[in-house]
Amino acid sequence: KAGVTQTPRYLIKTRGQQVTLSCSPISGHRSVSWYQQTPGQGLQFLFEYFSETQRNKGNFPGRFSGRQFSNSRSEMNVSTLELGDSALYLCASSLGGTGAYGYTFGSGTRLTVV
Amino acid sequence: EDKVVQSPLSLVVHEGDTVTLNCSYEVTNFRSLLWYKQEKKAPTFLFMLTSSGIEKKSGRLSSILDKKELFSILNITATQTGDSAVYLCAVVPDSWGKLQFGAGTQVVVTP
Repeated sequence: KAGVTQTPRYLIKTRGQQVTLSCSPISGHRSVSWYQQTPGQGLQFLFEYFSETQRNKGNFPGRFSGRQFSNSRSEMNVSTLELGDSALYLCASSLGGTGAYGYTFGSGTRLTVV
Repeated sequence: EDKVVQSPLSLVVHEGDTVTLNCSYEVTNFRSLLWYKQEKKAPTFLFMLTSSGIEKKSGRLSSILDKKELFSILNITATQTGDSAVYLCAVVPDSWGKLQFGAGTQVVVTP
């Protein structure tokens, strides 16, 4: 069974630009969560989507947004990029998003803002 | 505010040694605690713990949860160089899709 697929693997963007990252969850999983991982802050929760609805949101500015499609694939968007947005962005897929069945992570998108 | 603290932050051991990693937490409405291993990019799932005192085992790895003292331990016996990684502890609070992660423990196993 295919795992969680994130695209692209690497991105280099310039300050002020915007970027869109994609995450395809495991087939049958309807919950997709997004995380930002940096050396200084570790893994921090961005938001979670279930059945095309955002159910939860972390403490990130409004420049970070996301959406989920009817096939459970999710995208996250970062507008007006800042140098501090350079990070590994991970998504995790889950059956229901309650933690009862665990979370499976994708390999991430490495974003570098220059 | 929910908090997960892992210790030590890093350690170096020789092949064959036993390693004990600690994870303490303070979180409202605890649901479960998860351990992950992160080598390059994707954290890979190791254990999910929901009940106190029940040890989970997978090969040379084992883990246990103490919900009264609010901590968990991950043990790795007979370490191998392939065990070198960052080990992440995450707590699942009563909050949709959110994992509260600790900073991780960097384990280096030398030949």
